[in-house]
Amino acid sequence: QVQLVESGGGVVQPGSSLRLSCAASGFTLSSYGMHWVRQAPGKGLEWVAIFWYDESHIGCADSVKGRCTISRDNSKNTLYLQMNSLRDEDTAVYYCARDRIQQWSYVGSFDVWGQGTMVTVAS
Amino acid sequence: EIVLTQSPATLSLSPGERATLSCRASQSVSNYLGWYQQKPGQAPRLLIYDVSNRATGIPARFSGSGSGTDFTLTISNLEPEDFAIYYCQHRVNWPTFGGGTKVEIK
Repeated sequence: QVQLVESGGGVVQPGSSLRLSCAASGFTLSSYGMHWVRQAPGKGLEWVAIFWYDESHIGCADSVKGRCTISRDNSKNTLYLQMNSLRDEDTAVYYCARDRIQQWSYVGSFDVWGQGTMVTVAS
Repeated sequence: EIVLTQSPATLSLSPGERATLSCRASQSVSNYLGWYQQKPGQAPRLLIYDVSNRATGIPARFSGSGSGTDFTLTISNLEPEDFAIYYCQHRVNWPTFGGGTKVEIK
């Protein structure tokens, strides 16, 4: 069964760091481009970061650039999102999502989503 | 940055009715436009990709159309499980979502 499971969320203070994990099962993570998408409480969806399947392009949205690092551990079939210098506006559910086509440089259309992990930034 | 504007913000309809949701882009996104459905407490689900292609397992009552800057998602015969929020999304340069349309029971 194809599945993504996020973890690592929680309540953190402004200025702190957090690493989110996205464990994949039922498919090989390194064959697909992967993304992080977040959703603030009661708000819409915001794309956060991209990791091309061949690692040739890795990047973060302007709203988190400089504070965001996305990485992958092929041995664990897991994707990570490291967020630093967290701000109140980073409070959101963070989803990882899979590109629709495997071994394609950039698709940007997401056919598998995790259930999300909640990050709350509050003092 | 290409901005997507969805309308209306809320659509109040009864089961069995037809829903027509609009998504307008601030500049052309070619055919790189998709639609997602999200229910409370759940992750989004891909419905339509590249304007008019239904994702795996999506019923035929969902259809997409449009080109360039103006796009439409049509739900031909609303089922009770279709009441949800719908987001359009383009994938030019980087993915961007519209603000969403809530389809609620009238």
